[in-house]
Amino acid sequence: EAQVTQNPRYLITVTGKKLTVTCSQNMNHEYMSWYRQDPGLGLRQIYYSMNVEVTDKGDVPEGYKVSRKEKRNFPLILESPSPNQTSLYFCASSRRQLDSPLHFGNGTRLTVT
Amino acid sequence: SQQGEEDPQALSIQEGENATMNCSYKTSINNLQWYRQNSGRGLVHLILIRSNEREKHSGRLRVTLDTSKKSSSLLITASRAADTASYFCATDGTSYGKLTFGQGTILTVHP
Repeated sequence: EAQVTQNPRYLITVTGKKLTVTCSQNMNHEYMSWYRQDPGLGLRQIYYSMNVEVTDKGDVPEGYKVSRKEKRNFPLILESPSPNQTSLYFCASSRRQLDSPLHFGNGTRLTVT
Repeated sequence: SQQGEEDPQALSIQEGENATMNCSYKTSINNLQWYRQNSGRGLVHLILIRSNEREKHSGRLRVTLDTSKKSSSLLITASRAADTASYFCATDGTSYGKLTFGQGTILTVHP
């Protein structure tokens, strides 16, 4: 089944403790992206990747890192999480960014205390 | 500021009625997409309309695009309770690779 898999679904952590949210897609998609969703703010793009070893900042990249060493995986790294990073995070992928629909994962709800 | 802005923020209708949601954007685009989200779950793609298209249909969905007004509308005809969800428009255009979502319209369809 074609899908985007994020793990974990829920995560509670403390300020400053490094964490990684994994994202994997099995559709051989070139484009992958991370979004965060907050009430009243909609979805905001954190980072995106047009292909392997190519990553770019979205609208809210501060406090996040990503890597794209292989086509299928696009992990989101929070080196030193802070409470303002408490949010619902979504990974998405598409065949090509400009004219292909995005396939979304089921989300990761992160709470930083 | 958001590239895409949906209007209204919330819409409440009865089953069988039509629902219309609007999206306005600021810069020129290559395409505009509509997505649906059920309560806290991942978004699901509905329709993509290119900048050279004016209207597109998919089942009970009809999307229009007016590039001169920088706006799009999503019409759901004969709505059902199962259509209850949040609906988002997404646009490219601010820079290559960026896809920007609006804040969404919350649609509630009462049985």
